Amino acid sequence: AQKITQTQPGMFVQEKEAVTLDCTYDTSDPSYGLFWYKQPSSGEMIFLIYQGSYDQQNATEGRYSLNFQKARKSANLVISASQLGDSAMYFCAMRDGAGKSTFGDGTTLTVKP
Amino acid sequence: GAVVSQHPSWVICKSGTSVKIECRSLDFQATTMFWYRQFPKQSLMLMATSNEGSKATYEQGVEKDKFLINHASLTLSTLTVTSAHPEDSSFYICSARDVVGRLNTEAFFGQGTRLTVV
Repeated sequence: AQKITQTQPGMFVQEKEAVTLDCTYDTSDPSYGLFWYKQPSSGEMIFLIYQGSYDQQNATEGRYSLNFQKARKSANLVISASQLGDSAMYFCAMRDGAGKSTFGDGTTLTVKP
Repeated sequence: GAVVSQHPSWVICKSGTSVKIECRSLDFQATTMFWYRQFPKQSLMLMATSNEGSKATYEQGVEKDKFLINHASLTLSTLTVTSAHPEDSSFYICSARDVVGRLNTEAFFGQGTRLTVV
């Protein structure tokens, strides 16, 4: 069975600073995908970044980067230059080969002005 | 990017009635769609996997007779909450996987449906 662990229920960051949201995972599958999503109060799930289990380099998408440490089974999200609009719930998720996703409990990020 | 449309975005219904939620893939064909449920401040929990032209696969603990899923075409899956009760009030969200089934595609999520049973 797949498991995603996000140990930070809530995080605060000052505007324009960087923040790291933690995510560890557990799976016995050799092939998997790791995703991060942002969920604002409106409820929609916004895709941020993807990391494949065989990818050699860490994924980056604009201000988002994924610190992938396969041996430690961690996939932390780094948000650089935080903006007020980044305040939201962030979910780490793992998808298996069948397309089924397992989500962590989420981290609520609050960006302070 | 690919778009998944979920309708309605919110619904209020009386206890004992049934509610249908639609999930459509607008610009791609989805052989598989997933239905999730999310309680406030909690994570998304997979309810069932909907496969086009066949019966849905339900996760443990999900009542298949209460949450009816139909996936009649490659672009539409429906979730019907039958005989709804206040405890069924939740945020329901679908996601779709295209026929190519690439692992590295983002999961295309609908906008979600907030169901309130009164």
